[in-house]
Amino acid sequence: GAGVSQTPSNKVTEKGKYVELRCDPISGHTALYWYRQSLGQGPEFLIYFQGTGAADDSGLPNDRFFAVRPEGSVSTLKIQRTERGDSAVYLCASSPGVTETQYFGPGTRLLVL
Amino acid sequence: QQPVQSPQAVILREGEDAVINCSSSKALYSVHWYRQKHGEAPVFLMILLKGGEQKGHDKISASFNEKKQQSSLYLTASQLSYSGTYFCGTEMNTGFQKLVFGTGTRLLVSP
Repeated sequence: GAGVSQTPSNKVTEKGKYVELRCDPISGHTALYWYRQSLGQGPEFLIYFQGTGAADDSGLPNDRFFAVRPEGSVSTLKIQRTERGDSAVYLCASSPGVTETQYFGPGTRLLVL
Repeated sequence: QQPVQSPQAVILREGEDAVINCSSSKALYSVHWYRQKHGEAPVFLMILLKGGEQKGHDKISASFNEKKQQSSLYLTASQLSYSGTYFCGTEMNTGFQKLVFGTGTRLLVSP
């Protein structure tokens, strides 16, 4: 079956612009996670969805970051007024349920100029 | 809170063995191991739940010492394809799978 997919694979934007990053989880996976990975670092947790609701958004760095999963499948991570420090690879992962294996997508490489 | 991995980097000749350690200062519920190649997504290797179990498949195995809050990944008879960065992801609360990833261990296997 298909794995986790993310679009776009690369995004270049200017400081202050708004961006949306999309994640398509593995079909049937109820849990969805967003992570951010900077160069040379491990993934850093941002937000976790169980179904449609955000079960834990404690990793979102500030109120410029927001994520939704309206139908319990596809999720969108939204970043307002982007800053150069937002440049990173944004990874999405999904799992069949809680405390199960998380399968990662290829990531979206965001570059804020 | 971030688990510490050691060593930071290791270079092996094909066929040699390696051990990568992951230590946490917090009580852990589970440890997840991933391998990531440059420019690619992390690939799941295995998950260990508290209880000190050991798991393995092929020539890669891992253990979890609940008392020490430490997990070790064992790579035996390394292959070129083992090259990459290894991360442990730790989960501290049951039913709340927010993984906190370690600092990473870069492994290079040469012919």
